[in-house]
Amino acid sequence: AQTVTQSQPEMSVQEAETVTLSCTYDTSESDYYLFWYKQPPSRQMILVIRQEAYKQQNATENRFSVNFQKAAKSFSLKISDSQLGDAAMYFCAYRSGAAGNKLTFGGGTRVLVKP
Amino acid sequence: GAGVSQSPSNKVTEKGKDVELRCDPISGHTALYWYRQSLGQGLEFLIYFQGNSAPDKSGLPSDRFSAERTGGSVSTLTIQRTQQEDSAVYLCASSSYPARTGELFFGEGSRLTVL
Repeated sequence: AQTVTQSQPEMSVQEAETVTLSCTYDTSESDYYLFWYKQPPSRQMILVIRQEAYKQQNATENRFSVNFQKAAKSFSLKISDSQLGDAAMYFCAYRSGAAGNKLTFGGGTRVLVKP
Repeated sequence: GAGVSQSPSNKVTEKGKDVELRCDPISGHTALYWYRQSLGQGLEFLIYFQGNSAPDKSGLPSDRFSAERTGGSVSTLTIQRTQQEDSAVYLCASSSYPARTGELFFGEGSRLTVL
């Protein structure tokens, strides 16, 4: 079974600065998808960014970008120019390309943004 | 509807009582998922419905947990003889199928407290 590990329970960043969240995963598959979800206090999970494993180019969405290292099974999220609204729990997730649609989530990283 | 709707938002019950949690997915989404999030933890997969196929129940923690999906739309998660360890936020998500892009759309969850 696939596992997803987020080793940082909490990260703090100054407003306008950059923070990087770590995620590693364990899989024997070659076809899969990786995601970062944000969960604000409202509890609703929101997709931040996705990466297809077959793509070498790292995904970017505005201030959010990933560093995907397939051989190392690492998938970190960088938040640039941090804003107060970025404060939330961030979850890394894995989906097999072959075995259905369900996502496997990491334990989450809480991001605190200091004004 | 415009988004995934879950009810009740909060539920407090006594140990040993049965509870039902409801999920109304996004119109047209054929895939529906239930996840459990214990305090400060990641998301634990419970069950997955896809169209008329047999559901993937591999994540249900015990036979006290069951779920059904009527008419391919609304789903109900039932927990019988609740225990204190069942206290958690229960999140429902839906997606189109096949969700090759992997995006799941989440509701705001139902917070269950078992006294």
